[in-house]
Amino acid sequence: EPEVTQTPSHQVTQMGQEVILRCVPISNHLYFYWYRQILGQKVEFLVSFYNNEISEKSEIFDDQFSVERPDGSNFTLKIRSTKLEDSAMYFCASMGQADQPQHFGDGTRLSIL
Amino acid sequence: SQQGEEDPQALSIQEGENATMNCSYKTSINNLQWYRQNSGRGLVHLILIRSNEREKHSGRLRVTLDTSKKSSSLLITASRAADTASYFCATKEKFSGGYNKLIFGAGTRLAVHP
Repeated sequence: EPEVTQTPSHQVTQMGQEVILRCVPISNHLYFYWYRQILGQKVEFLVSFYNNEISEKSEIFDDQFSVERPDGSNFTLKIRSTKLEDSAMYFCASMGQADQPQHFGDGTRLSIL
Repeated sequence: SQQGEEDPQALSIQEGENATMNCSYKTSINNLQWYRQNSGRGLVHLILIRSNEREKHSGRLRVTLDTSKKSSSLLITASRAADTASYFCATKEKFSGGYNKLIFGAGTRLAVHP
C-alpha cells in the first residue's frame, strides 16, 4: 500500500539553526499538510498546501516557517531559526481527494538543543 | 475552541474484552476520523465517518456518530495485545473547504494485557 515517507526520522539541531524536514507524499495525492505533536500533547495543525500554494496556516506557522514543493514529489517544511519550543514530532500528511482520509508519515522527531 | 475530546484518557483491559472510547466535539463537522498511534510512530488512519452517517464498521472496529450530541464512539471488539496504542479522534469542520485541517483530540491510551 502506498505510504507517506518522512526523513530524517530524528533531527538534532542547535537553537538558531535552520532545519528542513522532508516528506514524500503519496504520489497521486493533491493535498498536503504538516502537523506537529509536542511530547505528551495533542497533534496540532500547522499548514495545508494545495495547488502549489498555502491554503491555510495556523498561528503556530509564523514567519520562521515555510513550506515548499520543489520538484513535484517532495514536500518540505523549513524552520529558519529554531527555538527550544520547536522541539516536537513533525508529521507530514497527504490526501487524495477532498473529504477523504489524510494519510500520515511516521514523523520526524526534532530536538532543539 | 477545543474539538475532539476523548474519554477516557486511559483504558486498561484484558485480551478478548471490548474497548470503547468516546469523543466529543463542539462545532458542526463534515466528517470525523479515528486514528491509532503506536508509541513513537505515526498516525494510522482507522475509519472515517461522515456527518450523514450514524454507524460504520471495519473488521473489529465499530464507530458511531451522534451529531445531535456532537459525539462519537469507537468500539474495538475482542481486543488483542497488538491493539495497545493511543487512539485519537479528529474532526473536519463543516463549511471549511475540502482541504481543511483536522482538529485532533488528546487521545485515549489503550493498554491490552495478555
